[in-house]
Amino acid sequence: AAGVIQSPRHLIKEKRETATLKCYPIPRHDTVYWYQQGPGQDPQFLISFYEKMQSDKGSIPDRFSAQQFSDYHSELNMSSLELGDSALYFCASSEGHPKKQYFGPGTRLTVT
Amino acid sequence: AQSVTQLDSHVSVSEGTPVLLRCNYSSSYSPSLFWYVQHPNKGLQLLLKYTSAATLVKGINGFEAEFKKSETSFHLTKPSAHMSDAAEYFCVVSPTNESGGYQKVTFGTGTKLQVIP
Repeated sequence: AAGVIQSPRHLIKEKRETATLKCYPIPRHDTVYWYQQGPGQDPQFLISFYEKMQSDKGSIPDRFSAQQFSDYHSELNMSSLELGDSALYFCASSEGHPKKQYFGPGTRLTVT
Repeated sequence: AQSVTQLDSHVSVSEGTPVLLRCNYSSSYSPSLFWYVQHPNKGLQLLLKYTSAATLVKGINGFEAEFKKSETSFHLTKPSAHMSDAAEYFCVVSPTNESGGYQKVTFGTGTKLQVIP
């Protein structure tokens, strides 16, 4: 069965650079969730989208923005990167909201 | 390569009875294993984790899990279910690396626990 796809899987950026993470939900899923997990920490909810509209907002910094496109994939844009942004970024998708979430493999972002 | 299988998508128990949520994994590396809980409209919370120390791991809220290498299992148990335990539970596997961070994380598809009064 198709799963949630995230790209890239690994990304290395320098401070003050920008990064874009992509998430492709499971086919027919219309809701996407973004999480950030720092080393040794629980995943923190950032933001979610349902039918291309923001549905919920968590602890997403103002330097980050996200959107969901007409094909339901989502992109997380991160600007003015800081060392503390180094983390594993998970995307999850669901069919409807709030419904059971299926998690992707994550994108590991390293900021140097 | 690694994978994780949560054998039950739904588990229903009566309040005060034992809970068993099953998880089997496969991994080419020495794995770290985790159980997370997600309550409705809430974020993910770590219940417990195994990182090659004691095979019986105790977590929060009375949950525990036993790592059984021979069975490639990491089942989550609790002696007595409480109404507040109703939630979605995710089993997660990742390789253990030196830095303690996660190189690649694989989530199971989740088990929804229903607790009947």
